Amino acid sequence: EDKVVQSPLSLVVHEGDTVTLNCSYEVTNFRSLLWYKQEKKAPTFLFMLTSSGIEKKSGRLSSILDKKELFSILNITATQTGDSAVYLCAVEAGRNQFYFGTGTSLTVIP
Amino acid sequence: DAGVTQSPTHLIKTRGQHVTLRCSPISGHKSVSWYQQVLGQGPQFIFQYYEKEERGRGNFPDRFSARQFPNYSSELNVNALLLGDSALYLCASSREGDYNEQFFGPGTRLTVL
Repeated sequence: EDKVVQSPLSLVVHEGDTVTLNCSYEVTNFRSLLWYKQEKKAPTFLFMLTSSGIEKKSGRLSSILDKKELFSILNITATQTGDSAVYLCAVEAGRNQFYFGTGTSLTVIP
Repeated sequence: DAGVTQSPTHLIKTRGQHVTLRCSPISGHKSVSWYQQVLGQGPQFIFQYYEKEERGRGNFPDRFSARQFPNYSSELNVNALLLGDSALYLCASSREGDYNEQFFGPGTRLTVL
């Protein structure tokens, strides 16, 4: 059965801390792994990863994929209160099939 | 440009009723996907449509159906509603064939009583 597991389920940190969010997966016909940020309703796209070992970076956020060990991490440095959200990991397995994890709820305290 | 729009924003129905949810993709996007997100869970894939054809289907019963119109807008229909259908229904659009980078709408919150 295809599955995507995220950890931790929730995290509370202070502003300025660095956090690492984890996503492991077991899917057939892996095509890509995606990270989203969900604040109120609509998830917003962060990264798409298809190749192992190549870091994607956007400001204080970065992500990397390990296709051998079947996981990805999302790093956020110098966290701010605006980073508080649910971070979702999704895997595209085969054509047109997307599996999401349950998400990691991040709370950044001033 | 306007983002993905969905209507209605909220909806309350009773068990056994039928519901239709609507989605308008970003201009120029030909692919639309539907997801169900139950509170505390990640979105679950229901359907993907591209050029008015169903290209993907998740593990949902036949009570769930969808269609895409010539203008690429889409409807999700759910028949014989159950309490467990209460969820946030998200629509996402992407450019032709490039469905990896999806842009989500604000969702429709469906409550079944």
